[in-house]
Amino acid sequence: TQLLEQSPQFLSIQEGENLTVYCNSSSVFSSLQWYRQEPGEGPVLLVTVVTGGEVKKLKRLTFQFGDARKDSSLHITAAQPGDTGLYLCAGAPGGSYIPTFGRGTSLIVHP
Amino acid sequence: DAGITQSPRYKITETGRQVTLMCHQTWSHSYMFWYRQDLGHGLRLIYYSAAADITDKGEVPDGYVVSRSKTENFPLTLESATRSQTSVYFCASSADRDNEKLFFGSGTQLSVL
Repeated sequence: TQLLEQSPQFLSIQEGENLTVYCNSSSVFSSLQWYRQEPGEGPVLLVTVVTGGEVKKLKRLTFQFGDARKDSSLHITAAQPGDTGLYLCAGAPGGSYIPTFGRGTSLIVHP
Repeated sequence: DAGITQSPRYKITETGRQVTLMCHQTWSHSYMFWYRQDLGHGLRLIYYSAAADITDKGEVPDGYVVSRSKTENFPLTLESATRSQTSVYFCASSADRDNEKLFFGSGTQLSVL
């Protein structure tokens, strides 16, 4: 079973559209991370959310950590082709310090 | 260049052969990790290391061996490669115990024929 469930698995949208990616778990996390991976490269960290209910913004990307620290979301406003990539959530469940990853959301933004 | 580097980038081998994937980081990070990435499975942890001479199994360790005699190097060896080990392998490092920020290499694409 996957500790972190991401949805949707795939997204294909037009430039300018908005989208939301979800990362859910039944476990509590002290923090959750979001990474973006481009083809042929390793994942790169976008943000870490730490406090329940926290909202962080990175330009057109908005990240939210659930109040119970079991889930997180990534919202992209006015998506651009440069946002194309695989978005991964990750975290170490309570008591562990070894990060586990969700299966990822593959996003394609068409010009 | 400073950072975390993996070699080779691409490798083709045959079933039964031994293969070693290299990982080198220049930051002196304590923690290092090996993940494999497969369609439908995402990133799965193979082995990790908290410091030199300290290694531990992850989610999918069978068929793999690691060592960490020096802080900066964390090689991964497939003792007798199988087709199911065809995958993209990523090495990562982290500076602190919380592991809230992993730095990844560019990966090694391994094909076992």
